[in-house]
Amino acid sequence: QQQVKQSPQSLIVQKGGISIINCAYENTAFDYFPWYQQFPGKGPALLIAIRPDVSEKKEGRFTISFNKSAKQFSLHIMDSQPGDSATYFCAAPTSGTYKYIFGTGTRLKVLA
Amino acid sequence: SAVISQKPSRDICQRGTSLTIQCQVDSQVTMMFWYRQQPGQSLTLIATANQGSEATYESGFVIDKFPISRPNLTFSTLTVSNMSPEDSSIYLCSVEEGDGYTFGSGTRLTVV
Repeated sequence: QQQVKQSPQSLIVQKGGISIINCAYENTAFDYFPWYQQFPGKGPALLIAIRPDVSEKKEGRFTISFNKSAKQFSLHIMDSQPGDSATYFCAAPTSGTYKYIFGTGTRLKVLA
Repeated sequence: SAVISQKPSRDICQRGTSLTIQCQVDSQVTMMFWYRQQPGQSLTLIATANQGSEATYESGFVIDKFPISRPNLTFSTLTVSNMSPEDSSIYLCSVEEGDGYTFGSGTRLTVV
């Protein structure tokens, strides 16, 4: 069964530091890779996504880096803030379908 | 983006009973998706619900256990039948939009 491997499982970062979360995927039907942010008691919310006609996409403090040959993509959170403390999920489209498989999640805690 | 209202937000149910979860979207959508998120875990797709046709279930999920209705383009229900403690999870409905999925806030189900 197709998987998306996400690491680390948990991450503690000091305020102002850089948070980095990595994902690796298998074969996909098309190329579109989103990241979701989930706060306790809430559903996941789309944070940022990349189409790999580019190798990097930046929105504010959030950057996705994409390595198509390695089938890997990562989320960088610059100047991490306590409000960024949440669980982050990457997702990748499954081969041959419109559906997505989600990574196992990374619980980020940013210390004040 | 679409706004999804999900009810109930949480419930505690007795073993052997059933619970129906409602999902209302503020715009018409072709496909609606139902996910399960077990405590501290990732999101697993249960089924895809298209209006006017039977839902398509993922491996490991069956219609008798998780019947789904999709009476129109803005509404769907998921029933968790004959519940056991193993069904304790967060259940989320979702719709696909141009840039990815939008999720409801989820139904936190505890089976005792």
